Amino acid sequence: QQPVQSPQAVILREGEDAVINCSSSKALYSVHWYRQKHGEAPVFLMILLKGGEQKGHDKISASFNEKKQQSSLYLTASQLSYSGTYFCVMIADKLIFGTGTRLQVFP
Amino acid sequence: EAGVAQSPRYKIIEKRQSVAFWCNPISGHATLYWYQQILGQGPKLLIQFQNNGVVDDSQLPKDRFSAERLKGVDSTLKIQPAKLEDSAVYLCASSFQPGRTYEQYFGPGTRLTVT
Repeated sequence: QQPVQSPQAVILREGEDAVINCSSSKALYSVHWYRQKHGEAPVFLMILLKGGEQKGHDKISASFNEKKQQSSLYLTASQLSYSGTYFCVMIADKLIFGTGTRLQVFP
Repeated sequence: EAGVAQSPRYKIIEKRQSVAFWCNPISGHATLYWYQQILGQGPKLLIQFQNNGVVDDSQLPKDRFSAERLKGVDSTLKIQPAKLEDSAVYLCASSFQPGRTYEQYFGPGTRLTVT
């Protein structure tokens, strides 16, 4: 029942865009996104709630399709600092981290 | 504002020994989480506290793991006895209220190696 993320890994050049998808088999209350750099703790990026409310970074956008139980994270004009592993966290009756997407941005 | 504090940062023990981890959340945060993160995987929630009460401990291996948050502030996670498969990073996180609508702030983690 772990949320499934795709792709598993992405390699980008600086300035390129990427989309990370997250899918759940359960009805959701909210979706969170976190980024974890190697050897560090996860850092909050965004929360998406049922009904369309969002909280998070100005430069990162995301969508939440409640009916399909899916969320997507949009990274535009990527920077070197975007490198890391991205996790969705789907909040239903339990709080479960997704499978993770490793993003590498090169100059 | 001080972040989530954890100690120790690293711990190496032999199997069948016991170990304890400590976490002090951000001041004013009512909700505290303990996660286990095995190398290459996402964090797995072990236990969630709301003040000093347990909200979810469904994935806590209760035969060997225990956790407490006696005064609704700091928390201790214990493993007794440890197994090789317990080698992981143990992350503590806190949020203002339960995590449906509030972001979690993570501590630096404790890297446990069981030999």
